[in-house]
Amino acid sequence: AQTVTQSQPEMSVQEAETVTLSCTYDTSESNYYLFWYKQPPSRQMILVIRQEAYKQQNATENRFSVNFQKAAKSFSLKISDSQLGDTAMYFCAFMSLYNQGGKLIFGQGTELSVKP
Amino acid sequence: DADVTQTPRNRITKTGKRIMLECSQTKGHDRMYWYRQDPGLGLRLIYYSFDVKDINKGEISDGYSVSRQAQAKFSLSLESAIPNQTALYFCATSDPAGGHNEQFFGPGTRLTVL
Repeated sequence: AQTVTQSQPEMSVQEAETVTLSCTYDTSESNYYLFWYKQPPSRQMILVIRQEAYKQQNATENRFSVNFQKAAKSFSLKISDSQLGDTAMYFCAFMSLYNQGGKLIFGQGTELSVKP
Repeated sequence: DADVTQTPRNRITKTGKRIMLECSQTKGHDRMYWYRQDPGLGLRLIYYSFDVKDINKGEISDGYSVSRQAQAKFSLSLESAIPNQTALYFCATSDPAGGHNEQFFGPGTRLTVL
């Protein structure tokens, strides 16, 4: 069974600085999707970024980028120029493409605080 | 208007009561999911459905049941609520044919069982 681990329960960063959130996963499959979701205090789940495992290029969305290391099964999220609105819980998630119903397997979450 | 809605947004109930959480979507997606979120555990899958005739258990289905009344509606029931079912519940939808496999989440229901 696949598992996702986020080893940093809490992190903090100063406004305008860069922070990296870690995520590791375990799977025997070669093709899958990885996601980072953001959950602000409003508790809405918001997709931040996605990565297809067959793509070697790391995904980027504005200030958010990932470092996808397939052999190491690592998928970290880098937030550049942190803003107060980035304060949220961040979840890493895995999706198998093989007979899994498209369900997401989530990590435990990292609570990020951006300080002024 | 929100594409995925959940009712109620918050609910407090007592042990042994039957509770239904409802989810509706206007996205036209066939796949729908129910997750629960607990501190330190992330989100875990309770049930998922590919269409009105195809319902599947997730990793933590014990104590829960679901009903897919239509493509747009997917309800989660707790037949006899217990305190350890206190959690934040999310409904989600997806459309794999769209190519990105993204799941779209509702706003969540905060359930407290006393």
